[in-house]
Amino acid sequence: SQQGEEDPQALSIQEGENATMNCSYKTSINNLQWYRQNSGRGLVHLILIRSNEREKHSGRLRVTLDTSKKSSSLLITASRAADTASYFCATDWNFGNEKLTFGTGTRLTIIP
Amino acid sequence: DTAVSQTPKYLVTQMGNDKSIKCEQNLGHDTMYWYKQDSKKFLKIMFSYNNKELIINETVPNRFSPKSPDKAHLNLHINSLELGDSAVYFCASSQGGGKQPQHFGDGTRLSIL
Repeated sequence: SQQGEEDPQALSIQEGENATMNCSYKTSINNLQWYRQNSGRGLVHLILIRSNEREKHSGRLRVTLDTSKKSSSLLITASRAADTASYFCATDWNFGNEKLTFGTGTRLTIIP
Repeated sequence: DTAVSQTPKYLVTQMGNDKSIKCEQNLGHDTMYWYKQDSKKFLKIMFSYNNKELIINETVPNRFSPKSPDKAHLNLHINSLELGDSAVYFCASSQGGGKQPQHFGDGTRLSIL
């Protein structure tokens, strides 16, 4: 299946440190998106990177995409307690239906 | 002002019952979705509608029937609820199709007794 896999499954870091999580997928994509999900809430879109882009920034977020390795990474710099959440990557197939396929998620805990 | 709102937030019911979940978006988006998130946080699309037309119908039991009265609303009716239907159901919307950023509601936690 196209389902992405995030790595690590869980990550705990001290407040102020940087957090990096990775996403791997299996087939050609148009775009890759990252979402955040706080406990008991819906997913919130963070950033979209197109297949012809290699890096994208948004505030403290930096996303990279390596289509040759079919992988992406999300870096959160200077982490805050409010960044505690689950993070998901989502991909859309190059020739597939108009839908997103979500990865398995990384649970990030920021220790104050 | 909630962009995507779902009701109810919690739904506890007996096996075999029929229940509905309602969703409304005030973003003016043309596409709406239903997702199911299981206990392991795996999120899977069930249905999507574009301008009230069914676009995606994944391999979902026909006990689940979506209905879109207009492009701002997408409801989900579930017949003959089973234990395996216990999950969190999310409604979402986007503008310009399923490859665009999606806005999610806060989910409906369905528990089958």
